[in-house]
Amino acid sequence: KQEVTQIPAALSVPEGENLVLNCSFTDSAIYNLQWFRQDPGKGLTSLLLIQSSQREQTSGRLNASLDKSSGRSTLYIAASQPGDSATYLCAVKPSGSARQLTFGSGTQLTVLP
Amino acid sequence: NAGVTQTPKFQVLKTGQSMTLQCAQDMNHNSMYWYRQDPGMGLRLIYYSASEGTTDKGEVPNGYNVSRLNKREFSLRLESAAPSQTSVYFCASGRKTYEQYFGPGTRLTVT
Repeated sequence: KQEVTQIPAALSVPEGENLVLNCSFTDSAIYNLQWFRQDPGKGLTSLLLIQSSQREQTSGRLNASLDKSSGRSTLYIAASQPGDSATYLCAVKPSGSARQLTFGSGTQLTVLP
Repeated sequence: NAGVTQTPKFQVLKTGQSMTLQCAQDMNHNSMYWYRQDPGMGLRLIYYSASEGTTDKGEVPNGYNVSRLNKREFSLRLESAAPSQTSVYFCASGRKTYEQYFGPGTRLTVT
């Protein structure tokens, strides 16, 4: 059974810092990996999707990498801002016919002004 | 283009009551999903529908039923609510090889 782990569970940084969020998964037979952002009391917003054949994806100040063989993904946030404060979740989609995602429990990020 | 919509946004039930959570998407996606989110446990899949007319159990289906009414709509029913079903429920839709899009959630409390 696929398990997805995100460490740390919470992270607090001063504004302007570059930071890395980590995601690890136990089964490397994945189709893709998706990073989401969740604001308090809100739904999930998709940030980046990396297909299994890709190594990284970039969107603005965000860069996500994928190392399928080691079961790891990182989300790099450059020049963090207070508006980046949220919970960040990663989720993997398995290879094969299954479509459902397996989620990590998230990293709660606080960027201090 | 509203994306994925869910109703209601909040609900309080007493143990044993029933209710249906509604979800609709306007992105012409074949696949739709129901998840629940509990503190410290991430999101767990309850049921999903790969296409209109089909439904399958996810990780935590007990106590729930679903209906894929048409391509747009996928409902989740609690027949006899229990306190253990207090949670935030999210509906999502997507295509197999692409991203999943999530609704704003329904916050359910069972007393």
